[in-house]
Amino acid sequence: DAGITQSPRYKITETGRQVTLMCHQTWSHSYMFWYRQDLGHGLRLIYYSAAADITDKGEVPDGYVVSRSKTENFPLTLESATRSQTSVYFCASSDGSWGNTIYFGEGSWLTVV
Amino acid sequence: KNQVEQSPQSLIILEGKNCTLQCNYTVSPFSNLRWYKQDTGRGPVSLTIMTFSENTKSNGRYTATLDADTKQSSLHITASQLSDSASYICVVSDNTDKLIFGTGTRLQVFP
Repeated sequence: DAGITQSPRYKITETGRQVTLMCHQTWSHSYMFWYRQDLGHGLRLIYYSAAADITDKGEVPDGYVVSRSKTENFPLTLESATRSQTSVYFCASSDGSWGNTIYFGEGSWLTVV
Repeated sequence: KNQVEQSPQSLIILEGKNCTLQCNYTVSPFSNLRWYKQDTGRGPVSLTIMTFSENTKSNGRYTATLDADTKQSSLHITASQLSDSASYICVVSDNTDKLIFGTGTRLQVFP
């Protein structure tokens, strides 16, 4: 079941460009998250949202912007991409408090050249 | 500093064999511990979630154990299959529900 989908799956962009990664979930989960995954690191939280119009910073928020005007969508924007933002980005959602199961999307592979 | 360490980093086993993956954590105070399976090129998928009071939890051929006193967890895979080839990630939550991810154990199962 494609309850949480990310797009694009693969993206190559140039330094300084603005890039938006889209995330859509069909479960009406209240919580949504953006993580990045890099070699040698565990997944690191960029931003999260507890409900529509409520967002908060995670561990590594610098250089990223999020919005959540609708419950089902949680786009992540890199305002001016840098090479250090080359990574795999995972969107995730949860139906309640943090203690509940978190469901991840398939990931967006971003390369900044 | 809250940390989650997993061992081994990688593991190769033959199909049908059992294996055990380890997770040690320094997260305090502890809320819950999760194990995720991540296939290559895919997102992580939840296997188990255990709270402080749970010692063992199973999900098919996967059995997770938790020793909250020694801050250790293990994931035991029974009768491995080729489809078990993946990275297994241990995740620990503190009392603010912040998730601390380990870097994973990469398991390869060969026929």
